[in-house]
Amino acid sequence: QKEVEQDPGPLSVPEGAIVSLNCTYSNSAFQYFMWYRQYSRKGPELLMYTYSSGNKEDGRFTAQVDKSSKYISLFIRDSQPSDSATYLCAMSARTDKLIFGTGTRLQVFP
Amino acid sequence: NAGVTQTPKFRILKIGQSMTLQCTQDMNHNYMYWYRQDPGMGLKLIYYSVGAGITDKGEVPNGYNVSRSTTEDFPLRLELAAPSQTSVYFCASRMQLEAFFGQGTRLTVV
Repeated sequence: QKEVEQDPGPLSVPEGAIVSLNCTYSNSAFQYFMWYRQYSRKGPELLMYTYSSGNKEDGRFTAQVDKSSKYISLFIRDSQPSDSATYLCAMSARTDKLIFGTGTRLQVFP
Repeated sequence: NAGVTQTPKFRILKIGQSMTLQCTQDMNHNYMYWYRQDPGMGLKLIYYSVGAGITDKGEVPNGYNVSRSTTEDFPLRLELAAPSQTSVYFCASRMQLEAFFGQGTRLTVV
């Protein structure tokens, strides 16, 4: 079983839609949960991070963690064409090994 | 501030050849990582390091070697290149939660 599983997508949504991206994990030691965004032919960039169960908001983005279910989500409100990218969840037990999901490609069309 | 620098950006290798992918960071980060990303896939951890002189295997270490003689440098060595090693390789460094990525090396083994 992979340590981190991510819904593969791809997702294609109209501008203004709410997008939900999801990952599950099996390693109970994971404490830090991150979402990275990767544009085509670029390296990933950190979008959000959290280390506790519950919600964390940053503008149009909300990261949600449910440690009891080993499930994390990223919600994007009022999605924009500029949000079109691949979104990768990432997790770490401490600040050492950083494990990524397989990524979900999102396209937001006008 | 250059961040994480990877060289070369592109390389074509013949089966059985060897090469070293270079990675340098100027942020004085202790943690460094090497990932490979196959088309349409997420990042798979090859090797990582928590400080100079310390390295450890990730998810897919076979066919690769690393060293970490200084905080700044974390080269990845491919011995006896195989077509299965055709991929995009990303180096990253990390201090707290945020990992910073290089621009990647596109490697083709023919």
